[in-house]
Amino acid sequence: AQSVTQLGSHVSVSEGALVLLRCNYSSSVPPYLFWYVQYPNQGLQLLLKYTTGATLVKGINGFEAEFKKSETSFHLTKPSAHMSDAAEYFCAVSDLESGTSYGKLTFGQGTILTVHP
Amino acid sequence: DADVTQTPRNRITKTGKRIMLECSQTKGHDRMYWYRQDPGLGLQLIYYSFDVKDINKGEISDGYSVSRQAQAKFSLSLESAIPNQTALYFCATSDPGREGNDEQFFGPGTRLTVL
Repeated sequence: AQSVTQLGSHVSVSEGALVLLRCNYSSSVPPYLFWYVQYPNQGLQLLLKYTTGATLVKGINGFEAEFKKSETSFHLTKPSAHMSDAAEYFCAVSDLESGTSYGKLTFGQGTILTVHP
Repeated sequence: DADVTQTPRNRITKTGKRIMLECSQTKGHDRMYWYRQDPGLGLQLIYYSFDVKDINKGEISDGYSVSRQAQAKFSLSLESAIPNQTALYFCATSDPGREGNDEQFFGPGTRLTVL
């Protein structure tokens, strides 16, 4: 079964500092990859996704992520943190077998990002 | 208007009560999902439906049931609520054929407290 690991349940950065949230998955077949963000008292909102093509993916609010097949990773970065980035972030992976999607996502346990002034 | 809506948004109930959470979508998607979110555990899949006649159990279906009344409606029931079902519940939709991938679109969530 697919598994997704987000290293660090809590990450704290200063405003203006680099944000790096780590995500590793277990699939041997390159999957579809997603990062979602959850602001307090809200649902999940898509930040960015990788399906095919360019491995560096840009999303909303200045975030980007790079798919590295050899490392089975999809780490999320932002060059300069803003106070409004404080939220919980989820990495999610879909299961693909022989190019056919099973349609379900497996989520990591989430990383809470705190941004200090 | 929101594409995926959930009612109620907040609910407090007592142990042993039956409760239904409802989800509606206007995206025209075939696939719908119910998740629960607990701190530190991420989202766990309870049930999913790939069309009106297709219902499947997820990772944690015990104590829950679902009904897909129409393409746009997917409800989650707790037949006899217990305190460890206190959680945040999310409904989601997807349509790989239309969207080209497995992106899921989430509702705002229902916060359920079982006393």
